[in-house]
Amino acid sequence: NAGVTQTPKFQVLKTGQSMTLQCAQDMNHEYMSWYRQDPGMGLRLIHYSVGAGITDQGEVPNGYNVSRSTTEDFPLRLLSAAPSQTSVYFCASSYSAVGVESYEQYFGPGTRLTVT
Amino acid sequence: GDSVTQMEGPVTLSEEAFLTINCTYTATGYPSLFWYVQYPGEGLQLLLKATKADDKGSNKGFEATYRKETTSFHLEKGSVQVSDSAVYFCALPSYNTDKLIFGTGTRLQVFP
Repeated sequence: NAGVTQTPKFQVLKTGQSMTLQCAQDMNHEYMSWYRQDPGMGLRLIHYSVGAGITDQGEVPNGYNVSRSTTEDFPLRLLSAAPSQTSVYFCASSYSAVGVESYEQYFGPGTRLTVT
Repeated sequence: GDSVTQMEGPVTLSEEAFLTINCTYTATGYPSLFWYVQYPGEGLQLLLKATKADDKGSNKGFEATYRKETTSFHLEKGSVQVSDSAVYFCALPSYNTDKLIFGTGTRLQVFP
């Protein structure tokens, strides 16, 4: 199993550009999520999905879109990049969408995004 | 609301020293508690967990005991190694959103 994979590892964007961060998992996990990690702020939840076709907003959803057309893939779209979106982005998945199992999350290696 | 507070880092230790990283929480009820670890250049991975009060989670020589009296879940290791150098995150599920809340992380640096 490859686990959770993310592409690209690094990306530089200019303000106003759009792009998609890719995330895939091969563990048949029900639950997938996107976090951003900023210095001194820990991880903050952007969007999450409890199954194919179902997505919901997390703590900091503004400026981001997601979709989940398959169990395996959960891309994150930046609509019009802003310097405030400079961060490290992590995708995570877990076997279940509820209960203790939902808190045992598997993380991808991250995408470091810089917006100039 | 529910929250997690971790000690500020970095924590700098020599190899074989004793480690404590403090974590306290505010929560409704008695949620499960978690420690995640992030090695350099990698994503987070679950280190250990405790699902009820007085439980002790353990893994790779690390331990943490769920203490409801002091609302704490401190991470300990008796003898750290250089390979333990990483960022450690305490986490708990939020009562009303059922989503994980992470602390700000504590960086551990172990020198030979």
